[in-house]
Amino acid sequence: DAGVTQSPTHLIKTRGQQVTLRCSPKSGHDTVSWYQQALGQGPQFIFQYYEEEERQRGNFPDRFSGHQFPNYSSELNVNALLLGDSALYLCASSLGQRGDEQYFGPGTRLTVT
Amino acid sequence: KQEVTQIPAALSVPEGENLVLNCSFTDSAIYNLQWFRQDPGKGLTSLLLIQSSQREQTSGRLNASLDKSSGRSTLYIAASQPGDSATYLCAVNRDDKIIFGKGTRLHILP
Repeated sequence: DAGVTQSPTHLIKTRGQQVTLRCSPKSGHDTVSWYQQALGQGPQFIFQYYEEEERQRGNFPDRFSGHQFPNYSSELNVNALLLGDSALYLCASSLGQRGDEQYFGPGTRLTVT
Repeated sequence: KQEVTQIPAALSVPEGENLVLNCSFTDSAIYNLQWFRQDPGKGLTSLLLIQSSQREQTSGRLNASLDKSSGRSTLYIAASQPGDSATYLCAVNRDDKIIFGKGTRLHILP
């Protein structure tokens, strides 16, 4: 049973560029959440997608956007990259019911230079 | 606004000792609380999930308790091993927003 997968593993971008990160949920899961984890900090909730709609959003600017596809996979897009966007981006999947256990992928390490 | 605090920030203990990690949260209206382990540069591994109606959960050498009314949870690790060295994070789930603490960095000394 495949767990949560994310691609790419590492990414280096320049300020002002745009980036797309990808996530495939655990088999049977229909909900995907995205998190940003800066070095030495706990993950910060970006948003959650369910039934191809953004169900909940954290305190992140509109430069951060996402999408969920009919097969439940998801993309995180970040526009106009800033140095402060350098972080580990984590994807988690769960079942649609609120309060279900979150399963995390290995993350994508984004470095903005 | 929900805030999650973990104490201590770092902990070093000799192998074989039992230890307790603490997590506190400011808003008791939560769906559940989840404990995770994170190895350096890696993703999160779920250890235990406690629903809001539960008081504790156990898995092997791990036991997590939840006191929702006081906004506290503890993770008890019995007979610690060097392989337990990692960062331990707690997270509370409310309204599908999962709020994490900053974690406790645990180092088990051989």
